[in-house]
Amino acid sequence: QITLKESGPTVVKPTQTLALTCAFSGFSLATDGMGVGWIRQPPGKALEWLALIYWNDDKRYSPSLKSRLTITRGTSKNQVVLAMTDMDPVDTATYYCAHNFGGRGAFDIWGQGTTVTVSS
Amino acid sequence: QSVLTQPPSASGTPGQKVTISCSGSSSNIGKNTVNWYQQFPGTAPKLLIYSNNQWPSGVPERFSGSKSGTSASLAISGLQSEDEADYYCAVWDDSLDGWVFGGGTKLTVL
Repeated sequence: QITLKESGPTVVKPTQTLALTCAFSGFSLATDGMGVGWIRQPPGKALEWLALIYWNDDKRYSPSLKSRLTITRGTSKNQVVLAMTDMDPVDTATYYCAHNFGGRGAFDIWGQGTTVTVSS
Repeated sequence: QSVLTQPPSASGTPGQKVTISCSGSSSNIGKNTVNWYQQFPGTAPKLLIYSNNQWPSGVPERFSGSKSGTSASLAISGLQSEDEADYYCAVWDDSLDGWVFGGGTKLTVL
C-alpha cells in the first residue's frame, strides 16, 4: 500500500526559502518508472503542478516557477524534498506530494497535503 | 489562466448524466493521455480516470472518460448527491515539458 505524507513549516515569512518533505512508503524511488511530484493549491483556486523527480534522478519543473524550485531525494531513501526560494504571500497554498508511475502516468496516490501561509 | 480549459461549474439532478469538458492543444491533449481527479472540500484530490478512459480500482464505472483531438470529457451517469465535488483534468504538455491541470469544474447536484 502506497502512502505519502508532507511535512514542513506552516508559516514562512516573505523572501524566505520553504523546504517541504514528502515521506513515502510502499514503493522505492529506485524502481524503474517511479516518480514523486509536488502539486499545490492556493485557497479556493485550482491545482498547479510544481515539480517531479523520477527514479533515474531526472527532474522536471513548472516553467513559471523553475528558477525558484529544487526537488531532491531526501537524506532518507524514502523521502523527497522540495525547496522554493523567495516566498511571497501569493505562494500561500496547500502543498501536496503524489506518487507518479511511468513518467507520464497519472498521480495515482496523493498525500493529505500541508498548508503553508506566507506572512510577515 | 490554465493551459487546459474547463467550465467553472456544472450541475444536474440525481439520476441525470452530466459531462465536463477539458479543452487543450496539440502539445498536450493532442499528444498525451488525460487524467481526471475528483476533490472534495478540504481533502486531497483522488484519481478518478487515467489514460483517457481507464478506471483505478474502486472507481464506479458510471464515471467515464473520453478524448477526441485536443479535447477530453468526463461523463458521470446516474448522478448521485455524493458526486458533488470539484473535478480537474490533467495531462502532460510536451511544449512545457511538464504537467498541466485544468482550472477545475465545481459540480453541483441539485
